Amino acid sequence: GAGVSQSPRYKVAKRGQDVALRCDPISGHVSLFWYQQALGQGPEFLTYFQNEAQLDKSGLPSDRFFAERPEGSVSTLKIQRTQQEDSAVYLCASSLGNWDRGGLEQYFGPGTRLTVT
Amino acid sequence: AQSVSQHNHHVILSEAASLELGCNYSYGGTVNLFWYVQYPGQHLQLLLKYFSGDPLVKGIKGFEAEFIKSKFSFNLRKPSVQWSDTAEYFCAVNARAGGFKTIFGAGTRLFVKA
Repeated sequence: GAGVSQSPRYKVAKRGQDVALRCDPISGHVSLFWYQQALGQGPEFLTYFQNEAQLDKSGLPSDRFFAERPEGSVSTLKIQRTQQEDSAVYLCASSLGNWDRGGLEQYFGPGTRLTVT
Repeated sequence: AQSVSQHNHHVILSEAASLELGCNYSYGGTVNLFWYVQYPGQHLQLLLKYFSGDPLVKGIKGFEAEFIKSKFSFNLRKPSVQWSDTAEYFCAVNARAGGFKTIFGAGTRLFVKA
């Protein structure tokens, strides 16, 4: 596709509900990142995939957060039993290459704004 | 732990004024440095990047940044801003030995008055 797409763009969930956020990276991009961006803050790293392998999940804030990329393209970020502090914009980014010394230009999607009521 | 500090949260300039946005990071090893920009209603996009070599890096739309290793800084500059530069600017750092994380600063909102 032309760019990284994310769906839904907006999601309202009641506290305790499970949500699933989808990311379609640019076709052929090997690397995929998820970030959480709270209001007035910069993006905060959640997890990194190289193809289907989740190489770093150190930024996931709790075991309620789970991400997968089973076929090395589309990725889903799942949040179980949502809490109010999960309200944020969730950004997905993809990069063409592997994580070679970290020098990857990341192409960001529009984000999913999650509001937990 | 790595961190990135952007000194100004909000900057207001008139057109043709010069711009300098400060960025400092805390990490003692080798780093890759980035500036990303988010124009109103658009996605985050890369403005410029530094991996190695000449510490003065030129990016799109007349922006440049200078890496000063001794000061742990990567300030963004533009000699003459335009109304269309109104956006939010994020400095970001990746420590090459620090895994897969890119650490972003909190952002600076720039408003350019026409």
